[in-house]
Amino acid sequence: ELKVEQNPLFLSMQEGKNYTIYCNYSTTSDRLYWYRQDPGKSLESLFVLLSNGAVKQEGRLMASLDTKARLSTLHITAAVHDLSATYFCAAPSGYALNFGKGTSLLVTP
Amino acid sequence: NAGVTQTPKFRILKIGQSMTLQCTQDMNHNYMYWYRQDPGMGLKLIYYSVGAGITDKGEVPNGYNVSRSTTEDFPLRLELAAPSQTSVYFCATSAWGGTQYFGPGTRLTVL
Repeated sequence: ELKVEQNPLFLSMQEGKNYTIYCNYSTTSDRLYWYRQDPGKSLESLFVLLSNGAVKQEGRLMASLDTKARLSTLHITAAVHDLSATYFCAAPSGYALNFGKGTSLLVTP
Repeated sequence: NAGVTQTPKFRILKIGQSMTLQCTQDMNHNYMYWYRQDPGMGLKLIYYSVGAGITDKGEVPNGYNVSRSTTEDFPLRLELAAPSQTSVYFCATSAWGGTQYFGPGTRLTVL
């Protein structure tokens, strides 16, 4: 059974700092998804990583995938308050996705 | 295009009552999914469908039923509500191998 683990689960960081969220998955997968969820809202797709070595960037967020290590990272550069949210990674399992428990990010002044 | 819509947004049920959560998509995707989200637990797959007339169980199907008579609609039925079914329910849709797009969710409380 595919297991997806994120760390940290909670992260409080100051504005302007950099940090990385890690996503490990237990079985081979050639795809990895990142989603963002604001409190009380639905999930919004951030990135789809489709191959080993894939790197995608959007604003202050950059995601990468290492399929050999079964590891994806979401790097936050110069955090701003608007990035406060919960971030989920997910890996395909059959027809659906297995989600990590999410990383709750709080960016403070 | 509305994407994925869900109704109702909120609902309070008494133990033993039944209800149907509605999900409709206008993205012409074959794949549809129901997840539940409990605090701090990520999302768990309840049921999924790969096309009209085809459904299958996910990780946590007990207490739920689904049907898929059209490409657009994928309702989720709770027959005998229990407090353990208090959760936020999300419907999602995708093309094969593609990104899943989520509806706004239904917040259900069973008392």
